[in-house]
Amino acid sequence: DSGVTQTPKHLITATGQRVTLRCSPRSGDLSVYWYQQSLDQGLQFLIQYYNGEERAKGNILERFSAQQFPDLHSELNLSSLELGDSALYFCASSVSRVTGELFFGEGSRLTVL
Amino acid sequence: SQQGEEDPQALSIQEGENATMNCSYKTSINNLQWYRQNSGRGLVHLILIRSNEREKHSGRLRVTLDTSKKSSSLLITASRAADTASYFCATGGSGTYKYIFGTGTRLKVLA
Repeated sequence: DSGVTQTPKHLITATGQRVTLRCSPRSGDLSVYWYQQSLDQGLQFLIQYYNGEERAKGNILERFSAQQFPDLHSELNLSSLELGDSALYFCASSVSRVTGELFFGEGSRLTVL
Repeated sequence: SQQGEEDPQALSIQEGENATMNCSYKTSINNLQWYRQNSGRGLVHLILIRSNEREKHSGRLRVTLDTSKKSSSLLITASRAADTASYFCATGGSGTYKYIFGTGTRLKVLA
């Protein structure tokens, strides 16, 4: 158990819909990272937050947004969903914002029909 | 584009053999990490090597880093069936907060 909690574990929805994925980092970790993993692919970096502030952005679509709240949990919002958004979405947390081990949650599997 | 690229994409070996996988990256880094992912599960950190280190060991794992060639290798000695998983390298760039993952090597260890 990494200590990172992601909900929901599985989500099935239709094209055009909006979903919210939630991540609770390990206790004490201030950095949260979001990654997308499509079938049999590597991980695409989406966005990173440190103590509530956005610090780095990757290949995140405009239809996607995220935030980190004062209690350090984070949410990834995906809107106007398309079939290609079907993927595993991982959240990871770390103590340091610059370097150090990432602790991954078990992911949220999104299926868009 | 991905920072790291693992090679080979897939590797199949017999139990007891050594497995070597390589990672190449494009820009300067602070550190490089290796992670393991069992099918459909979250990634688990294996080892971190800093840019001023050349080699690091952890149990049956040996990691090397060649910053002049922008490459790293992960060696798993005396492999076991339980080592079957995908292995990813991740690079933490200099001056960036991003961790960029490669495309992974799928390792299958046959009992």
